[in-house]
Amino acid sequence: AQKITQTQPGMFVQEKEAVTLDCTYDTSDQSYGLFWYKQPSSGEMIFLIYQGSYDEQNATEGRYSLNFQKARKSANLVISASQLGDSAMYFCAMRGRSSGGSYIPTFGRGTSLIVHP
Amino acid sequence: KAGVTQTPRYLIKTRGQQVTLSCSPISGHRSVSWYQQTPGQGLQFLFEYFSETQRNKGNFPGRFSGRQFSNSRSEMNVSTLELGDSALYLCASSPGGEEPYEQYFGPGTRLTVT
Repeated sequence: AQKITQTQPGMFVQEKEAVTLDCTYDTSDQSYGLFWYKQPSSGEMIFLIYQGSYDEQNATEGRYSLNFQKARKSANLVISASQLGDSAMYFCAMRGRSSGGSYIPTFGRGTSLIVHP
Repeated sequence: KAGVTQTPRYLIKTRGQQVTLSCSPISGHRSVSWYQQTPGQGLQFLFEYFSETQRNKGNFPGRFSGRQFSNSRSEMNVSTLELGDSALYLCASSPGGEEPYEQYFGPGTRLTVT
């Protein structure tokens, strides 16, 4: 079974500062993908960044980077230079191969990020 | 490219009724997944369709069903609605295949059961 743990229910950051959102995962699969999504108050889930389990380099997408530590089974999201528009819920997710051979998704409970001016 | 669209956006139903939600994926995407999001349970995977076949299923009762058409559009149906089915239902599409592709979500359908 797969599990995603986000231990920070809420985080606060000052505008223009960097913030790290924690995510740990548990899986027995060798091949899996790790994702981060942003959900503003409007409700729509926005894909931010992806890291494959075999990728040796940490993924980066603009101001977002994923700090992937495979041995620790952690996939923390780092947002640099926070902006007021970054205030939202952030979900860590994993897609690992099920016993049937397909990839199934598991989401964490989310972290609420508030950016202060 | 147009994003994932879901209709309707809001729905109010009465306990015992049934409901059908619709999802149109991004053009070229063959995989459609459905999720239920509630404050208590978080985001839970319902099922995934790929090339008109259900490829994976989450741990939901048989009242929840879905289908996918040849143009990749998908519908999900909930029969005999219960109060606990009130939730935001999200649809997500991805290219498909065997890679753990990222998924692109629609705006969701907010279902209220009274």
